[in-house]
Formats: sequence, C-alpha cells, structure tokens
Amino acid sequence: GENVEQHPSTLSVQEGDSAVIKCTYSDSASNYFPWYKQELGKRPQLIIDIRSNVGEKKDQRIAVTLNKTAKHFSLHITETQPEDSAVYFCAASKSNYQLIWGAGTKLIIKP
Amino acid sequence: ETGVTQTPRHLVMGMTNKKSLKCEQHLGHNAMYWYKQSAKKPLELMFVYNFKEQTENNSVPSRFSPECPNSSHLFLHLHTLQPEDSALYLCASSQDPLATSYNEQFFGPGTRLTVL
Repeated sequence: GENVEQHPSTLSVQEGDSAVIKCTYSDSASNYFPWYKQELGKRPQLIIDIRSNVGEKKDQRIAVTLNKTAKHFSLHITETQPEDSAVYFCAASKSNYQLIWGAGTKLIIKP
Repeated sequence: ETGVTQTPRHLVMGMTNKKSLKCEQHLGHNAMYWYKQSAKKPLELMFVYNFKEQTENNSVPSRFSPECPNSSHLFLHLHTLQPEDSALYLCASSQDPLATSYNEQFFGPGTRLTVL
C-alpha cells in the first residue's frame, strides 16, 4: 500500500532560524499534500497544502515545495518563533477521502 | 463548543467492558472519520463515512464497531479491547469529497483511551 515517510522525527532549531521537514511518498498517483500542526494536547490543524499541479506555495512564514519526479515534498518555516513548537504531520492523498500520514516531526524552538 | 466535539475526553476501561465514543460535528460536513493516534506512529485511518455510508474500513478488528446515524454524528463502539488498543482516538470531518476539491479535515479534541 501507499507509504509516506517523514524526517526528521525530532528537530530542534534556534528561535529565528529556519526549519525544514521532509516527506517522501510512494504512490505516484498522489495529487494532494497537506501539512497539519498539532500543538501539545491539542487537535491537528491544517496549516498549508499543495496540489500536484503546483511546485511551491507560500503563506507568510511557511512554504511547501513539491518535487513530483522525486516524489517528495517539504515544509519550510522561516524566522521560527516559540509558538511554532509542535508536532507537524505531512500526508499524501490520491482521493478526497483517505490521507496517508507521515509519522510526525516534533519541532522544538530553542529560545 | 463549535466545530467537532468528542465525548468522553478520557476513558479507562477493562478488557471485558463495552463502551462507546461519540463524535459530533457542527460544520455541515458530509464526511466523517475515525483515526487512531499512537505515540510516534502515523495517524491510522480506521473508518470513513460519506453521507452516512461507510466508504473505507482499513482492516480494523471487529472489536471496533462504527455507527453513523446521520451526517452530524459518529460513534465508535468498543468491545473486548486489548491493552494495545490504548491510544488517542480522533474524529474528523470534511466537506463532501465528491462535490468539492476542498479536502481539509477538521479534527475533534480526541478521546484518550486506556485499556487495562
């Protein structure tokens, strides 16, 4: 079945620096790639998503890039702030129902 | 509370108990989902309902039994669970996937389940 691998599992960065989280997917038919953020004790929430007809998408300090040939996509957070500390999940989908999720990356922002 | 609500928030049960988890969405969505979230593992999709009809069942053991009486309510009935079933169970909803390309899933706060 389809698989999504996410790296790293934990990422610690200095406040103000950039953070990059990477995911690879196995099914070349996947066409939708969302990123969810889950703060401690809270529910996952969508922060940004990208479709396969787009190579990059930005929303203020966050951006997502997609390389369909290599079947990988990445989340970039610039000028990190304490409130960016959370677990980030990537996912891939070829249908509107089923998201295949990565295992998550715990992002720690050091003051 | 608006959005997606879940009750109870915490549940401790023995292996011989029968309990139910409840999810309710106030967003007018037509699709609802049950996920299992275990530490350091990907979110595991358990069941999907679209317009009250089950569309996905990802090889979930029969000790988990879903019920979707209408598009706003979703239940997960639990019976003779195992300790390894202890996890956070998340409910989510989304707009009709067939009618729109807007895929965002809105999650509830989850039920923390402990099986003794």
